[in-house]
Amino acid sequence: KAGVTQTPRYLIKTRGQQVTLSCSPISGHRSVSWYQQTPGQGLQFLFEYFSETQRNKGNFPGRFSGRQFSNSRSEMNVSTLELGDSALYLCASSWGRPNTEAFFGQGTRLTVV
Amino acid sequence: DQQVKQNSPSLSVQEGRISILNCDYTNSMFDYFLWYKKYPAEGPTFLISISSIKDKNEDGRFTVFLNKSAKHLSLHIVPSQPGDSAVYFCAASDSNYQLIWGAGTKLIIKP
Repeated sequence: KAGVTQTPRYLIKTRGQQVTLSCSPISGHRSVSWYQQTPGQGLQFLFEYFSETQRNKGNFPGRFSGRQFSNSRSEMNVSTLELGDSALYLCASSWGRPNTEAFFGQGTRLTVV
Repeated sequence: DQQVKQNSPSLSVQEGRISILNCDYTNSMFDYFLWYKKYPAEGPTFLISISSIKDKNEDGRFTVFLNKSAKHLSLHIVPSQPGDSAVYFCAASDSNYQLIWGAGTKLIIKP
């Protein structure tokens, strides 16, 4: 079956702009989690959606938001981009709880200049 | 405050020998632990997990050990193979089922 698909793979944006990233989970998976990875850091949890509802949220400012659609596809949005938002954004899908075996996409590499 | 720590940024091991990757945690409420492997330009891949009610879980060449009193877990890879060269992350699950991740250890298997 198809894996987790994230689009776009690479993105360059200017400070102050906003960006939307997309994630299509594995068919049948209802939980989608988003993570930010920066060099030397582990994955920092952004939020988790399950059946179109945000079930958990990490410690990120309100500029970071997300949503999930009825087909389980998810988007995350970052508004008023800052240089420090440059990172690899990873999406993971799982059938149930996010602490079970999760399948990750290849990520979106966001560079803010 | 890092609740999950992987204190070795990198580890170099000879092919065929044992690789031991370590992870420490501070939150005694963590009850489920996972290891993921990540190759460059790919997302992390699930390797193995362990519940806090166990102290060992084995899957082929991979074994995870959990020492709850020391708040320490380790991943053993035996024998190490060139394809094992990757970054390894440990993650711990809290009561909200949220995963808290370590910073990763880069494992290099030397031929």
